[in-house]
Amino acid sequence: EVQLVESGGGLVQPGGSLRLSCAASGFTVSSNYMSWVRQAPGKGLEWVSVIYSGGSTYYADSVKGRFTISRHNSKNTLYLQMNSLRAEDTAVYYCARVVAAIHDAFDIWGQGTMVTVSS
Amino acid sequence: DIQLTQSPSFLSASVGDRVTITCRASQGISSYLAWYQQKPGKAPKLLIYAASTLQSGVPSRFSGSGSGTEFTLTISSLQPEDFATYYCQQLNSYPPSYTFGQGTKLEIK
Repeated sequence: EVQLVESGGGLVQPGGSLRLSCAASGFTVSSNYMSWVRQAPGKGLEWVSVIYSGGSTYYADSVKGRFTISRHNSKNTLYLQMNSLRAEDTAVYYCARVVAAIHDAFDIWGQGTMVTVSS
Repeated sequence: DIQLTQSPSFLSASVGDRVTITCRASQGISSYLAWYQQKPGKAPKLLIYAASTLQSGVPSRFSGSGSGTEFTLTISSLQPEDFATYYCQQLNSYPPSYTFGQGTKLEIK
């Protein structure tokens, strides 16, 4: 079965760090475009970052310089390292597969992991 | 970056109704436009990609159309399970980034 399972969310103080993980099954992370999307409580979807199969990475301006997307090929896992966290980073974070063949649509999503930034 | 504006933001309808949601881009875009459905507490689900292609497993009452700056998602006959929030999404080519519309919440009348 093709699926994504996120973990690593939790409560962190402003200025702190957290690393999210997204374990994939049924397909190979390194052969696909993979992305993180977040959703603040009661708000809409906000794209955060993408890593392409060739390794190129891109970020939303709101997280650039603070967040780092990466992958571990042998573990078939995607990561999001989040540093210098702010209250406005509080959200459910989803990982998703982006499929170039279907015009860069996000076809598989994880269940999400909640990140709360608060003192 | 190109902005996406959905209308309406809220829509009240009844089972069996035909509804249309519009997504307008701030400038012309290719067909890199997708639609998603999200239910409370759940991850989004891909409905349509390339503006008009139905994702596998999605009921045929969902359809998409449009080009340039205006795109629509139509549900031909609302079913109880269709009450949810819908988002459009597009790709900004360079540097690569992705934009979502603000969402349309479809509620039962």
